[in-house]
Amino acid sequence: AQTVTQSQPEMSVQEAETVTLSCTYDTSENNYYLFWYKQPPSRQMILVIRQEAYKQQNATENRFSVNFQKAAKSFSLKISDSQLGDTAMYFCAFMKGGMYSGGGADGLTFGKGTHLIIQP
Amino acid sequence: AAGVIQSPRHLIKEKRETATLKCYPIPRHDTVYWYQQGPGQDPQFLISFYEKMQSDKGSIPDRFSAQQFSDYHSELNMSSLELGDSALYFCASSLEGQKPYEQYFGPGTRLTVT
Repeated sequence: AQTVTQSQPEMSVQEAETVTLSCTYDTSENNYYLFWYKQPPSRQMILVIRQEAYKQQNATENRFSVNFQKAAKSFSLKISDSQLGDTAMYFCAFMKGGMYSGGGADGLTFGKGTHLIIQP
Repeated sequence: AAGVIQSPRHLIKEKRETATLKCYPIPRHDTVYWYQQGPGQDPQFLISFYEKMQSDKGSIPDRFSAQQFSDYHSELNMSSLELGDSALYFCASSLEGQKPYEQYFGPGTRLTVT
């Protein structure tokens, strides 16, 4: 079984600042995917960014980027130029599977979440 | 773009009653997942289906059952409801052949057991 740990229950930064959310995981799998999901007050789960473990290049999506360190089993999320609308719970998630294997219907394992507050 | 549809959005039941939650995946998506999120908790995976067959199973209680139908919609049946079943229930969908298997979540059904 795999575990996902988010050690920062809550973070608060000023608008326009850069913030990094931490995530570590433990697994015996060699092929897997990692995700960051955002859950605003509406409770909708929104996919922010994904990373395939077999890719060395860190994923980026506009203001969001990750620092994926496979050997250290670390997967942090960096939000640049933070905006008020970024205020939300952020969940790191793990899913088994890889480029040449299945896993398409495997469930996600989530961390406990980090509550990010962007101050005006 | 079309999203995952869940119904009802809110449901209030009494202890020992039954409840049925419905999920309609994004068009062309063939895989459905169910998650339970208790108050202040992270989502917990319950069960998933691919092409109408159970694919993966998580922490789903024996009182719960689910299935996926020929039109790919899914239903989660919950019996002998307990107070602890009060939670937000998410359905997510994905397309099996589309790596890396991104799961798109519906808005959730908020179940309150009194």
